[in-house]
Amino acid sequence: AQRVTQPEKLLSVFKGAPVELKCNYSYSGSPELFWYVQYSRQRLQLLLRHISRESIKGFTADLNKGETSFHLKKPFAQEEDSAMYYCALRTQGGSEKLVFGKGMKLTVNP
Amino acid sequence: DAGVIQSPRHEVTEMGQEVTLRCKPISGHNSLFWYRQTMMRGLELLIYFNNNVPIDDSGMPEDRFSAKMPNASFSTLKIQPSEPRDSAVYFCASSSGLRTGELFFGEGSRLTVL
Repeated sequence: AQRVTQPEKLLSVFKGAPVELKCNYSYSGSPELFWYVQYSRQRLQLLLRHISRESIKGFTADLNKGETSFHLKKPFAQEEDSAMYYCALRTQGGSEKLVFGKGMKLTVNP
Repeated sequence: DAGVIQSPRHEVTEMGQEVTLRCKPISGHNSLFWYRQTMMRGLELLIYFNNNVPIDDSGMPEDRFSAKMPNASFSTLKIQPSEPRDSAVYFCASSSGLRTGELFFGEGSRLTVL
């Protein structure tokens, strides 16, 4: 079965500090991993996907198949990064569905 | 485009009552998803449709839950009878079917069952 684990529910840092939001997955095949973000009073939206190897809003995430991880990182957090972050997995095959982790709330203090 | 539209935004009802949540996906999207969000379980997929056909309903909790998609622009999620443990935020999302992994979410329907 596919599973996404976000081991920490809350993370609070000061502005300018580095952040790492952890995500581990369980899937026997070759997964596709994503990070979604929900800012206060906004809709849940895609932040980045591993296949794009892109940096969005200063965030990056590297898929580590050996450790089955897809941690989200940013070297210098900003107050506007405060939000709920969800890691998600899509399996191979024709399915469009995403399996989400339970989410993690990031608070960046001034 | 207004994006995915859900109604009602808030619903408070009493145990045993029927609840119907509605969703209008983005025009042209051929996949539609219903998710439930709770503090304990996070975001759980309830059911997903492709071209109006239910593809995976393994996440539907029990027979009290049912979902329909009569056409490409409308879907409903019904709970009958409702129970306090059904209290949650229910999200509808749609995608283009191009396997980009990008789901477009509605604002959610917050359900409270007393």
